[in-house]
This record gives sequence, structure tokens and C-alpha cells, in this order.
Amino acid sequence: EVQLVESGGGLVQSGRSLRLSCTASGFTFGDYAMNWFRQAPGKGLEWVGFIRSRAFGGTTEYAATVKGRFTISRDDSKGIAYLQMNSLKTEDTAVYYCTRDGSGSYGKGRAFDIWGQGTTVTVSS
Amino acid sequence: DIQMTQSPSSLSASVGDRVTITCRASQAITNDLGWYQQKPGKAPKRLIYAASSLQSGVPSRFSGSGSGTEFTLTISSLQPEDFATYYCLQHNSYPWTFGQGTKVEIK
Repeated sequence: EVQLVESGGGLVQSGRSLRLSCTASGFTFGDYAMNWFRQAPGKGLEWVGFIRSRAFGGTTEYAATVKGRFTISRDDSKGIAYLQMNSLKTEDTAVYYCTRDGSGSYGKGRAFDIWGQGTTVTVSS
Repeated sequence: DIQMTQSPSSLSASVGDRVTITCRASQAITNDLGWYQQKPGKAPKRLIYAASSLQSGVPSRFSGSGSGTEFTLTISSLQPEDFATYYCLQHNSYPWTFGQGTKVEIK
């Protein structure tokens, strides 16, 4: 079964760090770009950033709201994408989702088709 | 950044009604758009990709159309399980951006 599972969320104080993991199964993880999205309580969805597959350079892009504070990385041997969140702010409180994007390798049919169940991050002041 | 203007923000409809939701992009995005359904406490679920292609396993009452800057999601006959919030997502140029969402409620 194709699946993504996020983990690592929790309660953290403002200014501290947290690392989220997104563990993939059921597909060739290394063929896909991996994205992180988030959703603040009662709000809409927001893109956080992504990491390209190795075939496309493994480079990253970030939303302006997190650039310089968040870092996305990947371990293709383990099938895991990471979201390292530093200097957390109360406005980073959200459910964080990971999703795959295979449009670079497989075409648009594999763009954001599979999502994890999400992990909750709460940043207190 | 590309702005996605989604309308309406909410609607009330009855089972069996035809429902149309629109997203307008601030600049052309070819067909790099998907539609997602989200129920409370759940992850988004992709319904439509490449503006008009139906995700495998999604009922055929859902359809998408459009290209460039104007896109629509249509539910031909609303069913009880369709009451949810719907979002469009553009992935033509980053930052990827969502519409504000449309909450579909029971009339």
C-alpha cells in the first residue's frame, strides 16, 4: 500500500526547534519530490516547501514565511523526508502534512496524489 | 506569487443538487491545478489533477474543467458524503498556492 506517515509533532516553546519526519512506503521514494504543507487551526492550507528528487538535483524551495528557519532534507535509503523547524513562532502552530510529487518523473498524474495523516505542532509563548 | 481566488467561500445545497466551485488564478497556470476535498480532522484528498483528470477511485459525479486562469469543480449530484471543504491548488510556479476554500454545507 502506498503510504506516507508523519511523526515528530508536539508542544514546543517559542524559539525552540523541532524535527518532523515523513516515512514513505509502497513506492520508489527516490523518484519523487517531497512537499510539506501545513494548516493552522481553523484556517486553510499553506505550502511550506519541497525537496526535489536526486534526479532533479535534490534542491529545495521554501515559502517566504519559513525561509531561513525551516530546512527540508531527505534520506532516500530510508524513505524518509524531514522538516527541521528552528526558531519556531506561535504562528507556526499547525497540522503539518507531507505529500509526494512525481510529476517530474511520472507526469502530472502523480502530483500531490498521496498525503500523510498529518502531525500536530503547537508552539507556545 | 500567484493568487488563487476561489468562490464561493461557502454554500448550502441539498442532496441531488448540482454544485459548481470556481478558482481564478492571477496569472496563467496552464493546467497545473488540482482540486482537493477535506473533511474535519482529515488530510486533503485529491479529486482532480491536471485541471480535468479524475483521480482513480473518485466518483464520476466530480469533474473539473478549465485552463489558463479559470477553473471549475463541478459535483453533478451532491451526495451526503460530499459535504466537506474543497480547495484548489496551483503548482505551476512556486510558491504553490491554494484557494481560500469552499465549505459545502447541508441545506
